Amino acid sequence: EVQLVESGGGLVQTGRSLSLSCAASGFTFKDHGMHWVRQAPGLGLEWVSGITWNSGSKAYADSVRGRATISRDNAKNSLYLQLNSLRPEDTAVYYCVRDVEAANRGLGFDLWGQGTLVTVSS
Amino acid sequence: QSALTQPRSVSGSPGQSVTISCTGTDSDIGAYNYVSWYQQQPAKAPKLMIYDVTERPSGVPDRFSASKSGNTASLTISGLQAEDEGDYYCCSYTASKTCIFGGGTTVTVL
Repeated sequence: EVQLVESGGGLVQTGRSLSLSCAASGFTFKDHGMHWVRQAPGLGLEWVSGITWNSGSKAYADSVRGRATISRDNAKNSLYLQLNSLRPEDTAVYYCVRDVEAANRGLGFDLWGQGTLVTVSS
Repeated sequence: QSALTQPRSVSGSPGQSVTISCTGTDSDIGAYNYVSWYQQQPAKAPKLMIYDVTERPSGVPDRFSASKSGNTASLTISGLQAEDEGDYYCCSYTASKTCIFGGGTTVTVL
């Protein structure tokens, strides 16, 4: 089955760090750029970060730049997001997302995971 | 960077057509043909409806079409059906090498 499965969410204190993982299966992972997209409760979608197929280029939203690190391991068919200095406004469902192309320009996000909820609280 | 601008809501009767606009700037929609559209229904992950400005993924009904002119992209749903209700988001690549979503539009079938 073609799918993305996120893990690593939960309740975290303000200022702490969190590491999210995404396991891909059913398709050739290294053929696609990958992204993280989040959605705060009751609000819209926010692109967080993207990485090209070969990790050659990484990009971050202004809201997380300097606090986030995206990475991938094509041998393990896995995508990761490390987010530091967490703030209450980071509270959201984080989706692992596949790009239709190998780059990370967001040509189209054609496969989404079920999402993992991150709650940041003091 | 501010989100792309979408109307909060649009509505139509079954069989009618509705169009959702998505307005950006010369640094995003106006600069690149990397515009996509997503449908999100309650408690579900978003679904890709349009990519590369006008392309429909397999399985998306041809009632969904899209276009772009200048800094504004548009999604049209023709022959509106009850199952088309949900939130719709546009997305564009930007000159900052990031991606940006619109604020979302709720489509209601009357």
